[in-house]
Amino acid sequence: EIVLTQSPATLSLSPGGRGTLSCRASQSVSTSLAWYQQKPGQAPRLLIYDASNRATGIPARFSGSGSGTDFTLTISSLEPEDFAVYFCQQCSDWPPTFGQGTRLEIK
Amino acid sequence: QVQLVQSGAEVKKPGASLKVSCKASGYMFPTYAINWVRQAPGQGLEWMGWISDYNGNTKYAQKFQGRVTMTTDTSTSTAYMEVRSLRPDDTAVYYCARDLGKIVVVPTAPQSMDVWGQGTTVTVSS
Repeated sequence: EIVLTQSPATLSLSPGGRGTLSCRASQSVSTSLAWYQQKPGQAPRLLIYDASNRATGIPARFSGSGSGTDFTLTISSLEPEDFAVYFCQQCSDWPPTFGQGTRLEIK
Repeated sequence: QVQLVQSGAEVKKPGASLKVSCKASGYMFPTYAINWVRQAPGQGLEWMGWISDYNGNTKYAQKFQGRVTMTTDTSTSTAYMEVRSLRPDDTAVYYCARDLGKIVVVPTAPQSMDVWGQGTTVTVSS
């Protein structure tokens, strides 16, 4: 199965800052990658699908890029509600797999 | 609005079975497949399997083959997941989640998941 490795494990930033989160796949997934946000006690929320497409209702400050094995989720100007855990998921091959997550915390 | 509503929290003893429900509303249930994903305390997300109400097709993660059964009831727009022979390490929050895109007859690849249930907390302890 395809292994996804996210980095860093924890990212400490200030509101208004720029967040850059990475996800690396153990083999090419083309652009079949999604990003999710999860807050404590809540279900994950789809942010980005197909590497760069924002899901319905997702603010423009969230953007995704990459193809092949290297992907990036960028949050251009962090709002207080953006501090959460972020997961990537590959949709290239069965079984779908998730990265271990990046915790974005307030500095 | 489109939503998935799951059954309530469960406490089970090791060796018991569990059946979680996921009731869909706001869309045509057979047109989107349902995934089941679990999250152990403080851990990441683990995909367990997928079911299509359209034709009854299922896919299971290898580690759950033979211990998990996913079904649907079209008349009530509800998906179910049964887990047998529960172990303490099955303690987790279990989520159902809808595929982003409509069902295709032969899915060649998984999809991202755009609508999630609220989660069902399952505790397995003697």
